[in-house]
Amino acid sequence: EVQLVESGGGLVQPGGSLRLSCSASGFTFRNYWMTWVRQAPGKGLEWVANIKQDGSEKDYVDSVKGRFTISRDNPKNSLYLQMSSLRAEDTAVYFCTAVSWNAFDIWGQGTMVTVSS
Amino acid sequence: QSALTQPASVSGSPGQSITISCTGTSSDVGDYKFVSWYQQHPGKAPKFMIYEVTNRPSGVSNRFSGSKSGNTASLTISGLQAEDEADYYCSSYISSSTWVFGGGTKVTVL
Repeated sequence: EVQLVESGGGLVQPGGSLRLSCSASGFTFRNYWMTWVRQAPGKGLEWVANIKQDGSEKDYVDSVKGRFTISRDNPKNSLYLQMSSLRAEDTAVYFCTAVSWNAFDIWGQGTMVTVSS
Repeated sequence: QSALTQPASVSGSPGQSITISCTGTSSDVGDYKFVSWYQQHPGKAPKFMIYEVTNRPSGVSNRFSGSKSGNTASLTISGLQAEDEADYYCSSYISSSTWVFGGGTKVTVL
């Protein structure tokens, strides 16, 4: 079964850090661009970051540049998002996705990040 | 990286057809064929419905179809069913391996 499973979400204070993980199974992880997409409570989807198959290219939405770092470990079939200097507006469900045909093909179930004091 | 523009809501009766628009600019929707659509039921992860403007992934009903004209892409749902009631999002590749989503459209089956 093709699957992405996120973990690492939780409650963190403003200015704090958190590392999200995404474990892939059922497909050849190393062949896919991977992305993080987030959804604030009651709001729409927002693309956050992506990483090329070999990790050589990374891109971020302007609002997280310099604060978030996307990475991957192909032998472990894992994707990560290191988040620092967190703000209240980063509160969201974070989805891990695999990209095919320049679209978000496979989605995880999401992990909730709450930034609050 | 401005969000694409979608209507907040669209409704229709069972069996009818509805169309959701997704308006961007000549730098995103108008410039690339990489427009995709997603369906999201409450509390669930989005589901991939359409890619490259018109193509359906395996397993997606042929009642869902996509099109594009200029800077506006559209998703049409034919033969509307109760299970189609959900939020729908469009997305476009915008350049340098970055993407943008629309604000989302709530579809209500009357």
